[in-house]
Amino acid sequence: EPEVTQTPSHQVTQMGQEVILRCVPISNHLYFYWYRQILGQKVEFLVSFYNNEISEKSEIFDDQFSVERPDGSNFTLKIRSTKLEDSAMYFCASNLDGSSYNEQFFGPGTRLTVL
Amino acid sequence: EDQVTQSPEALRLQEGESSSLNCSYTVSGLRGLFWYRQDPGKGPEFLFTLYSAGEEKEKERLKATLTKKESFLHITAPKPEDSATYLCAVQAWGSGGSNYKLTFGKGTLLTVNP
Repeated sequence: EPEVTQTPSHQVTQMGQEVILRCVPISNHLYFYWYRQILGQKVEFLVSFYNNEISEKSEIFDDQFSVERPDGSNFTLKIRSTKLEDSAMYFCASNLDGSSYNEQFFGPGTRLTVL
Repeated sequence: EDQVTQSPEALRLQEGESSSLNCSYTVSGLRGLFWYRQDPGKGPEFLFTLYSAGEEKEKERLKATLTKKESFLHITAPKPEDSATYLCAVQAWGSGGSNYKLTFGKGTLLTVNP
């Protein structure tokens, strides 16, 4: 069964450092998403991406965040200068065409710890 | 702003003891309501999508129902392997039709004791 994969599973970084979280969405999917979940909190939407551009972004997704699809398989989230409050679980998701008729498949997540 | 509230926050059941989880939502126009299961340290795993009031869907011991204001996830004769956090999320119709984000509730942590 196809699945969304994410690397690394756990990333520890110092405050102010840049991190790149990587995702490989399901191969025939066209819409890609990043969500985050701070410990004990809700899963929160960050950004959606389609046709090589951002479709929608939340207030959380400020200038410190960027997304990229550098090749035909990877989808990345970059945080330029990490803050303590960026510590969270980051989930990548994808779906076939963005509609509610096709569920979003989530990856296993990357736990980001900012010290 | 779309909002999702789930109750209870935590529920402890004995194996075989049926119960229901609640998801109340406020959304400008509901495109779909989703139920996901999340195991500790894992990503959400899709269970159901509901689209309109009165709709019901079933999968094994789970049945999801939808009204205009809330959804219920009914668990019949649960087993210990049903222990997980159950997440409810809504997707709303947005301007230009490109609003595909999911808005999640905090979830209900279900523990089923043998």
